[in-house]
Amino acid sequence: QVQLQQSGPGLVTPSQTLSLTCAISGDSVSSNSAAWIWIRQSPSRGLEWLGRTYYRSKWYNVYAVSVKGRITVNPDTSKNQFSLQLHSVTLEDTAVYYCAREHYSSGANYGMDVWGQGTTVTVSS
Amino acid sequence: QSVLTQPPSASGTPGQRVTISCSGSSSNIGGNYVFWYQQLPGTAPKLLIYRSNQRPSGVPDRFSGSTSGTSASLAISGLRSEDEADYYCAAWDDSLSGYVFGTGTKVTVL
Repeated sequence: QVQLQQSGPGLVTPSQTLSLTCAISGDSVSSNSAAWIWIRQSPSRGLEWLGRTYYRSKWYNVYAVSVKGRITVNPDTSKNQFSLQLHSVTLEDTAVYYCAREHYSSGANYGMDVWGQGTTVTVSS
Repeated sequence: QSVLTQPPSASGTPGQRVTISCSGSSSNIGGNYVFWYQQLPGTAPKLLIYRSNQRPSGVPDRFSGSTSGTSASLAISGLRSEDEADYYCAAWDDSLSGYVFGTGTKVTVL
């Protein structure tokens, strides 16, 4: 059974960097059948896909246009986890952040089938 | 901000059929698969439908998905009290090169 466990601070100061980690159990961050995703949810912006990292003979990263230039999603193969860094945060970045697995089989996308528990992040001074 | 449009609410009595619409464009629903997620209060979203009309194992066959052009629909038949939740559609958007989500629909069981 695949599980994702999120960790990271719930309070970030404006202009600083938001950092969260998602630990994977039951699967591998290097799996050729998965992509590892960050999503956030806020009352003003709804559900918002932020980006993903995945391994297909080499590592790939894809980021949402809305946060491109401020976001980094990194895999950590030694700890079987992946992380989110969002730089230069503002009050607008206050949200519940989720990590998720996007599952593939024979190249077909089976959707975001496993989610972390969510982390409420507040940007405030 | 959400790119896919859903009605804010839907309701029905136990046993009824409820349908939720999701309107997009040619860059998302019109050319890519649609996914549906159910979110119970205080929990993470749960995958309900993948590849527009497929159910993951464990999802009751009361839930079904369909698409037509640039729109998609989720139908819940035999409505039950435990179906009371928020429902979101999602699809890859070729123009944005990322996933887009719907605005969400709150289903109430009367």
